[in-house]
Amino acid sequence: DTGVSQDPRHKITKRGQNVTFRCDPISEHNRLYWYRQTLGQGPEFLTYFQNEAQLEKSRLLSNRFSAERPKGSFSTLEIQRTEQGDSAMYLCASSLGVGEPSTEAFFGQGTRLTVV
Amino acid sequence: DAKTTQPNSMESNEEEPVHLPCNHSTISGTDYIHWYRQLPSQGPEYVIHGLTSNVNNRMASLAIAEDRKSSTLILHRATLRDAAVYYCIPLVTGYALNFGKGTSLLVTP
Repeated sequence: DTGVSQDPRHKITKRGQNVTFRCDPISEHNRLYWYRQTLGQGPEFLTYFQNEAQLEKSRLLSNRFSAERPKGSFSTLEIQRTEQGDSAMYLCASSLGVGEPSTEAFFGQGTRLTVV
Repeated sequence: DAKTTQPNSMESNEEEPVHLPCNHSTISGTDYIHWYRQLPSQGPEYVIHGLTSNVNNRMASLAIAEDRKSSTLILHRATLRDAAVYYCIPLVTGYALNFGKGTSLLVTP
C-alpha cells in the first residue's frame, strides 16, 4: 500500500465551474477525513466519514460542497460554482478508527485548487 | 474543543535538542494530546500522542505536565529535515483533528 492517494494534484478552474477531487485512503482504514488549507494557516476540518456514513460536517462546508464515500472505499469532494475563495489545498486523511480511541491519521499530499 | 497556545516560531541549531511547548489549559480528562507536523509542500504527518504519561517513539518524546494543562514535544537531535510546522492537537475520541496555526520550526546548520 502506498498511502493515501489524491487526484488530481493540481487543478486550475474558472470561477463558476464545478470541480471534483478524489481520495483513495489506505485500504482497511474505515475513517476518512477532508480538510482545507489556505496559505499560512493550519488545515481546517471539512467533513468525516466512518465507512460510507458521513458523520460530521463543518460549518465551513457550504451547500456548494458535497462529499461522498460510496461503499466505504474511495471518496470524492465536489465543489459546485467555484469561487475565488475556494482556492486552497484540499487534504484527505484516513485512519483505522478502531481500538485505541485516537489512532494515527495518514494524510495525502493534497489537491491544490486555483480558481481564476 | 480545547484551545491550544503555541509559539508562532522557534529556531534551533542542527543536532541540538528542541523543546516545543504547547499550552492546553482547557483540555478535558479524556482528550488525548496529539502532535503532527507538516513539512513544506507535504500533507501533515503524525508525530506522537499521549494521554497522561510521557511517551517516546522513534521520532520524538512527549512530556505531559501532571495537570495536563501543557505538554512539550522533544526532538532529541534536530536535523534539517525536521524543519516544519508542528501542531499540538487535543483530540477527543472519534473527532477530527483541529490544527490551529502551530509552531514553525527553523533548523539551522
